[in-house]
Amino acid sequence: GQNIDQPTEMTATEGAIVQINCTYQTSGFNGLFWYQQHAGEAPTFLSYNVLDGLEEKGRFSSFLSRSKGYSYLLLKELQMKDSASYLCAPLWKAGKSTFGDGTTLTVKP
Amino acid sequence: SQTIHQWPATLVQPVGSPLSLECTVEGTSNPNLYWYRQAAGRGLQLLFYSVGIGQISSEVPQNLSASRPQDRQFILSSKKLLLSDSGFYLCAWSGLKGQGEVDYGYTFGSGTRLTVV
Repeated sequence: GQNIDQPTEMTATEGAIVQINCTYQTSGFNGLFWYQQHAGEAPTFLSYNVLDGLEEKGRFSSFLSRSKGYSYLLLKELQMKDSASYLCAPLWKAGKSTFGDGTTLTVKP
Repeated sequence: SQTIHQWPATLVQPVGSPLSLECTVEGTSNPNLYWYRQAAGRGLQLLFYSVGIGQISSEVPQNLSASRPQDRQFILSSKKLLLSDSGFYLCAWSGLKGQGEVDYGYTFGSGTRLTVV
């Protein structure tokens, strides 16, 4: 829904940096969440951006450009436990979020 | 602090049998409540959401229904399950999270893995 587009799969090496991009339609947009979901588990909250710019939280950072309908999640110093799906979820003015299909990240030794 | 409980964790049901999944939230009042389904390897599909007791909005026409009999209780039901109802069902809530602050981020229950056979 709402044309949320993120890559299906990505692979990176332990200790490296990876950037997961997400684009969405801008009409009715309010903010953007990123969630992490390990296989077989429920998603958990990672970050929320409502203003343009970069929000840094430890090894994870999230960027938002409202005018471009674009966000990315940046993961630094990758660890094996970072292997998971990462869900981009815009929040709409109606107060609901919709979810992209997720990017499955595989971290290799 | 707020907690969300969802049960059962796994369920195997025959085609045509009824379904009832329950979700409760503690530590907040008047939460927004959601039911999502996730097929294997796919994203989250919103099934129902509720902004208050007895207020249910359906996102996808199907043989499922939802009810909110109490402020912090959300129930997903079906009278007759189909094979296509198999999936990972997630309850989530958003709303007041401490200090009177409204947080639109979702907190998910641990999920119910339903297999219809």
